[in-house]
Amino acid sequence: DIQMTQSPSSLSASVGDRVTITCRASQSISSYLNWFQQKPGKAPKLLIYAASTLQSGVPSRFSGSGSGTDFTLTISSLQPEDFATYYCQQSHSTLALTFGGGTKVEIK
Amino acid sequence: EVQLVESGGGLLQPGGSLRLSCAASGFTVSSNYMSWVRQAPGKGLEWVSIIYSGGSTYYADSVKGRFTISRDNSKNTLYLQMNSLRAEDTAVYYCARADVEMATVLFDYWGQGTVVTVSS
Repeated sequence: DIQMTQSPSSLSASVGDRVTITCRASQSISSYLNWFQQKPGKAPKLLIYAASTLQSGVPSRFSGSGSGTDFTLTISSLQPEDFATYYCQQSHSTLALTFGGGTKVEIK
Repeated sequence: EVQLVESGGGLLQPGGSLRLSCAASGFTVSSNYMSWVRQAPGKGLEWVSIIYSGGSTYYADSVKGRFTISRDNSKNTLYLQMNSLRAEDTAVYYCARADVEMATVLFDYWGQGTVVTVSS
């Protein structure tokens, strides 16, 4: 199976900060990479698919980039509602759709 | 409006069996890919299984041979039959619709989750 590694596992940031989260695949996955946001006690929410396409209704301060094995989720100006855990997920191998370990974004 | 409502979770002993249900509305289950994803307490998301619109099914290695994904087209409902349950199967189980955009399989709608606890 393709392994997905996120870094950092957690970070502290302030409102207004630019935040970057990295996801690395154990083999090339082209652009078959999705990003999710999850708040405590809630189901995950799709933010970005195909590495860089913003899901409908998601604020434009979220962006994604990358291809092959290295990907990035960027929040351009962190808002109070963005404090959450973020997960990447690969869909290159549709027989085994794996998630990264998550990055928890906390208030500094 | 698309909605997914899971049910069937509970507390059971190791070795037991349970069937989870996911009732869908606002779209047709049989025309879409559908998946189960779980989250152990305090842990990350783990993909469990997927059923494609054509009926093909796939499983994570951790549940292969023990879990079975299926659907009832007449009830527009997705199921997960879980057998030989272990303590490590304890988790919130989410069902999710898996759409395809730009050749990417993505989970665009999720249920609220149902809790499965395996403990003696």
